[in-house]
Amino acid sequence: DAKTTQPNSMESNEEEPVHLPCNHSTISGTDYIHWYRQLPSQGPEYVIHGLTSNVNNRMASLAIAEDRKSSTLILHRATLRDAAVYYCILRPYTIQGAQKLVFGQGTRLTINP
Amino acid sequence: GAGVSQTPSNKVTEKGKYVELRCDPISGHTALYWYRQSLGQGPEFLIYFQGTGAADDSGLPNDRFFAVRPEGSVSTLKIQRTERGDSAVYLCASSSQQGYEQYFGPGTRLTVT
Repeated sequence: DAKTTQPNSMESNEEEPVHLPCNHSTISGTDYIHWYRQLPSQGPEYVIHGLTSNVNNRMASLAIAEDRKSSTLILHRATLRDAAVYYCILRPYTIQGAQKLVFGQGTRLTINP
Repeated sequence: GAGVSQTPSNKVTEKGKYVELRCDPISGHTALYWYRQSLGQGPEFLIYFQGTGAADDSGLPNDRFFAVRPEGSVSTLKIQRTERGDSAVYLCASSSQQGYEQYFGPGTRLTVT
């Protein structure tokens, strides 16, 4: 399984942007980059995913480096509710679609009021 | 609509006992996944079903662990002869056949004393 590297923890202030980095230097051409987050005492929740182009949705933006060896999850205006562990996951494309997720340690994001 | 539900939310059992953990996926989701999460770690994959059959059971740690999904909806994770090392939060997720986004339940916290 392709490996990702994330900082153990990051801290930011409420209402400021947050950039969460992820390195995946061994990514293959068919690997999608997925982000999930896990709020305290909850199961993980999907945030965003992409392949090559930058992606935006209502929760966040995903910026993918041109060589795809790194990516950044961007929270444009952090709130206290965004305090969570954020996981960057590489997910190979397969014909059948559904498959397991391989979680690393993730980045624990703290938001200061 | 209703999300993934798991019962019980907490289970305390004695070493050597048998336990069953139940997962109700989102209606219509064909894929169902089991993960377990130890304190301070990311979720670890156990098994995933596509319909009634186990498509990938490579994460089951040993033959004390077994899971079924007889009618392609509800799934039960069964653990025989529980050990203290089995203590963890057991997470269930479901997805559509394409599976780009997995929806997680709140988990069952298993404590083996």
